[in-house]
Amino acid sequence: DTAVSQTPKYLVTQMGNDKSIKCEQNLGHDTMYWYKQDSKKFLKIMFSYNNKELIINETVPNRFSPKSPDKAHLNLHINSLELGDSAVYFCASSQDRDAITDTQYFGPGTRLTVL
Amino acid sequence: TQLLEQSPQFLSIQEGENLTVYCNSSSVFSSLQWYRQEPGEGPVLLVTVVTGGEVKKLKRLTFQFGDARKDSSLHITAAQPGDTGLYLCAGARAGKSTFGDGTTLTVKP
Repeated sequence: DTAVSQTPKYLVTQMGNDKSIKCEQNLGHDTMYWYKQDSKKFLKIMFSYNNKELIINETVPNRFSPKSPDKAHLNLHINSLELGDSAVYFCASSQDRDAITDTQYFGPGTRLTVL
Repeated sequence: TQLLEQSPQFLSIQEGENLTVYCNSSSVFSSLQWYRQEPGEGPVLLVTVVTGGEVKKLKRLTFQFGDARKDSSLHITAAQPGDTGLYLCAGARAGKSTFGDGTTLTVKP
């Protein structure tokens, strides 16, 4: 009964490939997020969706495309992978879009390694 | 430019010692949250502080939000090995949370 789950846990691929990471939450939350955590542990928001609608789109290369088929799922597709994309990607969800007091529940992360 | 800076970046102490971690910014935040992240897992929320000067206690952990809502501190009393992890502060502004650069704490038995 994992709250926020991500697949795969580990992803090793060659430069130039296209890959997807899937995220699902069973908390009934309206808002979902994708974060990137680099080798220095800095956690940076990439995207946020509220009820399948994109509400935050940080300065992220357009090779990254999120897709939300329903409010329980937020997938991340990455085209033409580059070495600099290597990082841990976290999915998270919260009850609504209010970042002031809302608790974000994070998934276990997907460690992406681009060779 | 790092909006939220945490100090120290790394801290290694013996079990039973006290410690304080700081989270500083030149910007005002609507609220500030502290998370702990263990290796191979996602961050887990510890506390949210909203009011300037607010102090919250969670067992051996004491969190304080600065009067001007620009900074925060986390104090741990009598640290235990189970406190080991990456501590992240996150400030909320304009409906978005921005994370600090983290403090890695190691508590040795």
